[in-house]
Amino acid sequence: DAGVTQSPTHLIKTRGQQVTLRCSPKSGHDTVSWYQQALGQGPQFIFQYYEEEERQRGNFPDRFSGHQFPNYSSELNVNALLLGDSALYLCASKIMDRDQPQHFGDGTRLSIL
Amino acid sequence: GESVGLHLPTLSVQEGDNSIINCAYSNSASDYFIWYKQESGKGPQFIIDIRSNMDKRQGQRVTVLLNKTVKHLSLQIAATQPGDSAVYFCAENRVGNFNKFYFGSGTKLNVKP
Repeated sequence: DAGVTQSPTHLIKTRGQQVTLRCSPKSGHDTVSWYQQALGQGPQFIFQYYEEEERQRGNFPDRFSGHQFPNYSSELNVNALLLGDSALYLCASKIMDRDQPQHFGDGTRLSIL
Repeated sequence: GESVGLHLPTLSVQEGDNSIINCAYSNSASDYFIWYKQESGKGPQFIIDIRSNMDKRQGQRVTVLLNKTVKHLSLQIAATQPGDSAVYFCAENRVGNFNKFYFGSGTKLNVKP
């Protein structure tokens, strides 16, 4: 049973560019959340997708957007990249409204030069 | 949680000793709590969870204690092993919203052989 998978594992971009990160949730899960984790800090919630719609959003600018597909996979898009966007981007999945933990992928390490 | 920059609180223990990692939360609506372990280069891995109607839960070598009066959560690891070396995060969600999790800033556990 595959867990949460993310691609790519590492990515290097320059300021002003745009990036797309991808996530496949754990089998049976329908809800995908994205987190940003800066070095030495806990994950910060970006947003959550369910039924192909953004359901909740954290304190992130509109440069961060996403999408969920009918097969529950998801993408995170970041436009106009800033140096401060350098971080580990984590995807987590669960079943909507179940009082259960999220399962995380190993993340995409994004470096902005 | 508040950022502690690059300097995570660190707990150093001798192999075979017991470890206690602490976490404080501030919201009275916090209802469900999870401990995650994050090894270098990997995503957070679920360890154990506890609901607010409990004050103790045991797993294999791990125990979570919840004190709602002082809003404090702890993770006890028995007979700590080198493989337990990692960063440990507590996460919680709140009454009425099973889907959004709030993370603490983490504690780094170093196990000395």
